[in-house]
Amino acid sequence: SFDLTQPPSESVSPGQTANIPCSGDKLGDRYVCWYQQKPGQSPVLVIYQDTKRPSGIPERFSGSSSGNTATLTISGTQASDEADYYCQAWDNGTAVFGTGTKVTVL
Amino acid sequence: EVQLVQSGAEVKKPGESLRISCKGSGYSFTSYWISWVRQMPGKGLEWMGRIDPSDSYTNYSPSFQGHVTISADKSISTAYLQWSSLKASDTAMYYCARQVAPYYMDVWGKGTTVTVSS
Repeated sequence: SFDLTQPPSESVSPGQTANIPCSGDKLGDRYVCWYQQKPGQSPVLVIYQDTKRPSGIPERFSGSSSGNTATLTISGTQASDEADYYCQAWDNGTAVFGTGTKVTVL
Repeated sequence: EVQLVQSGAEVKKPGESLRISCKGSGYSFTSYWISWVRQMPGKGLEWMGRIDPSDSYTNYSPSFQGHVTISADKSISTAYLQWSSLKASDTAMYYCARQVAPYYMDVWGKGTTVTVSS
């Protein structure tokens, strides 16, 4: 089966850059999107089609994808970016979510 | 404003049936698919399946095929997720999301909590 693997956690200092990887078979050949979920809230789309940012999402969020890995980058991380982040891609008409990464801003 | 409004929290007993809803507003309901996503307590997101409200074509994750039914009534811009016989393991938060076919989910409902307990 097609799986997307993320590290369980990532710590970053305020103002620094967080890089969140997502790995899966031939991920660079598929469109990847990223969702942010804060405690008690619904997920929010932050990146779609690998690199595009929806209206209202800060420019500090960016995405890239190559080979078997997609990466969400948060530049100049703020305390408000502390959340769970999930990558997502499609495999044979089925959406697959990554295992999720908890980003802590220390 | 584009919104998906989900029905309220449910508490059910094992073996009971249930249908929860997701009403779209602020956009053309038949122009976007609706996906359903499960989140069990303290766990990650799991895609259950989706429906195209324009023709009610559905597609399910293999993990959920046969366990739930997704439907829609385009006349009232509402999608549904239903169970015929709930289990304790169905206890979770269920989200509906507007899907920009076929790639991403851009608008999410606030979720419906389903608790199944004897």
